Amino acid sequence: EAGVAQSPRYKIIEKRQSVAFWCNPISGHATLYWYQQILGQGPKLLIQFQNNGVVDDSQLPKDRFSAERLKGVDSTLKIQPAKLEDSAVYLCASSLDDVRVENTEAFFGQGTRLTVV
Amino acid sequence: AQKVTQAQTEISVVEKEDVTLDCVYETRDTTYYLFWYKQPPSGELVFLIRRNSFDEQNEISGRYSWNFQKSTSSFNFTITASQVVDSAVYFCALSEYSGYSTLTFGKGTMLLVSP
Repeated sequence: EAGVAQSPRYKIIEKRQSVAFWCNPISGHATLYWYQQILGQGPKLLIQFQNNGVVDDSQLPKDRFSAERLKGVDSTLKIQPAKLEDSAVYLCASSLDDVRVENTEAFFGQGTRLTVV
Repeated sequence: AQKVTQAQTEISVVEKEDVTLDCVYETRDTTYYLFWYKQPPSGELVFLIRRNSFDEQNEISGRYSWNFQKSTSSFNFTITASQVVDSAVYFCALSEYSGYSTLTFGKGTMLLVSP
């Protein structure tokens, strides 16, 4: 079974530039998550989709971050304009259903490491 | 609000030693779910275990074991006879039954196992 695919793996941009990350979840997974992991910290949820609808985006800085999940499959996360504090690893994860459902777990991609200079 | 605390930032052991990673959580829900994930240097988080709040049985899987104690709001993880391949960052996470299914992670514990 193919895992969660993310691209690019690494990205370096200057502050005030824009950047986009792409995620292809495991086939059939209804729930998709974007997490931000700053160095030395645990992942923090940015946005959660159920199919193509947003379930939780309460921690997404909406003035600069946006995300979409077209047709309930692939997803893109965009930052515009980027700030120095956005330097982090952006992790995409997917799960068959809500993780509170028995035997449901979230699978993570390898992440995109963003450096803003 | 849910919170997960992993007080140990980094632990160093020598191969074959046993090691316990601590996890303390806070939640107002009576129904919740606890998880452990491993993050090797490659970056992806690997699922290790899930436990719901009604199941306080300890679990053993090979060299891994988990001790869930609701009385102390702890869900500790023990690796027996550690190996170099166990070197990674380990995260404890919590999801409450009410509201969204958001996984809230602790800051992680880096485990270094030397030969």
